[in-house]
Amino acid sequence: DIQMTQSPSTLSASIGDRVTITCRASQTIGSWLAWYQQKPGKAPKLLIYKASSLESGVPSRFSGSGSGTEFTLTISSLQPDDFVTYYCQQYNGYPWTFGQGTKVEIK
Amino acid sequence: QVQLQESGPGLVKPSQTLSLTCTVSGGSISSGGYYWSWIRQHPGKGLEWIGYLYNSGSTYYNPSLKSRVTISVDTSKNQFSLELSSVTAADTAIYYCARERPRGTTKGGFDYWGQGALVTVSS
Repeated sequence: DIQMTQSPSTLSASIGDRVTITCRASQTIGSWLAWYQQKPGKAPKLLIYKASSLESGVPSRFSGSGSGTEFTLTISSLQPDDFVTYYCQQYNGYPWTFGQGTKVEIK
Repeated sequence: QVQLQESGPGLVKPSQTLSLTCTVSGGSISSGGYYWSWIRQHPGKGLEWIGYLYNSGSTYYNPSLKSRVTISVDTSKNQFSLELSSVTAADTAIYYCARERPRGTTKGGFDYWGQGALVTVSS
């Protein structure tokens, strides 16, 4: 299985901050990476697909980059609604696997 | 607007079979070339992909669960189902059904999810 490792596991930041979450794959996955946002008690929501494509309806403060084994999710200016958990997911090789999650907390 | 809704027992006894159904509305499960998946999340933990159903018949399962999993479809009801046999407490989780876009044309990703169904394995 392809292992996905996110860092940090927890991130403390303030409203308006620019934050970056990193996701590393245990082997190359091209650009077949998605990012999801999960609010407490809710299903994950697709933010980014194919590493850098913004899903329709997702605010432009979210962006993704990377290819191969290293990827990043950047939130350019944190809003109150953004203090939740984020997951990366690879879909290059079965079984699809997710990172362990990054919780963004209010500093 | 596509919507998915999980249903099934919230409590299953150890060694028995967990059964959940996902009802899809706003789109046909048998058209569009989408993959219909089950994903689970252990309480307070990360996400684990269980498997998918494609093209109203083809399936692929996570090898870690393959010996215990069956995903099937009822196109007349626009539903797909999950069966997980010989459950233990380790199978206690929130189970999500989700639609995955094909990589080739729409670049992939799980774009629609059900709200999730908590299944507890306990005697």
